[in-house]
Amino acid sequence: DTAVSQTPKYLVTQMGNDKSIKCEQNLGHDTMYWYKQDSKKFLKIMFSYNNKELIINETVPNRFSPKSPDKAHLNLHINSLELGDSAVYFCASSPTENSPLHFGNGTRLTVT
Amino acid sequence: DQQVKQNSPSLSVQEGRISILNCDYTNSMFDYFLWYKKYPAEGPTFLISISSIKDKNEDGRFTVFLNKSAKHLSLHIVPSQPGDSAVYFCAASAFSNDMRFGAGTRLTVKP
Repeated sequence: DTAVSQTPKYLVTQMGNDKSIKCEQNLGHDTMYWYKQDSKKFLKIMFSYNNKELIINETVPNRFSPKSPDKAHLNLHINSLELGDSAVYFCASSPTENSPLHFGNGTRLTVT
Repeated sequence: DQQVKQNSPSLSVQEGRISILNCDYTNSMFDYFLWYKKYPAEGPTFLISISSIKDKNEDGRFTVFLNKSAKHLSLHIVPSQPGDSAVYFCAASAFSNDMRFGAGTRLTVKP
């Protein structure tokens, strides 16, 4: 009965590969997000989707593309992976604007 | 540009004493502030929030104070318990879904 679930938990891959991280929420929330936690531990917003519309894109390279097949899912596709993409990626959801986020447990991506 | 700053990477307190975690922000448009708690290998979980129309919000052992003129907020935990040991993130947003986070403070509560 996990509220926000993301898979896989760990992802190790080589430079140049394309990979996807899946996220699902069963809370009925309207907005879903992807955050990146870098080596300095900052949590930085990457994308926000509200009713299947992208509403925030924080200067993220276009190698990263969010895809939302429905309100409960927001997947993250990454093309041509680079070493600097290594980080922990968190999916989150919220019911409305200015409300607390519910996070998944993160996906640790390691690019070698 | 880090609009939300937590300048203390770590804090250690004795069980039963008060823990005070601090956070500063630079964007005067922020109107909603939150604290999250994070255990290893888990995502952050919401702890407590405060809107800009208030200067204090209390929930059990946790109290958040907001000083808008100083652009500063703090989280007080009284009494601190060993289970409170975690990383605490301060976050803020301005009328939107764009929530900004600090780098976190690792709290260790010693028995």
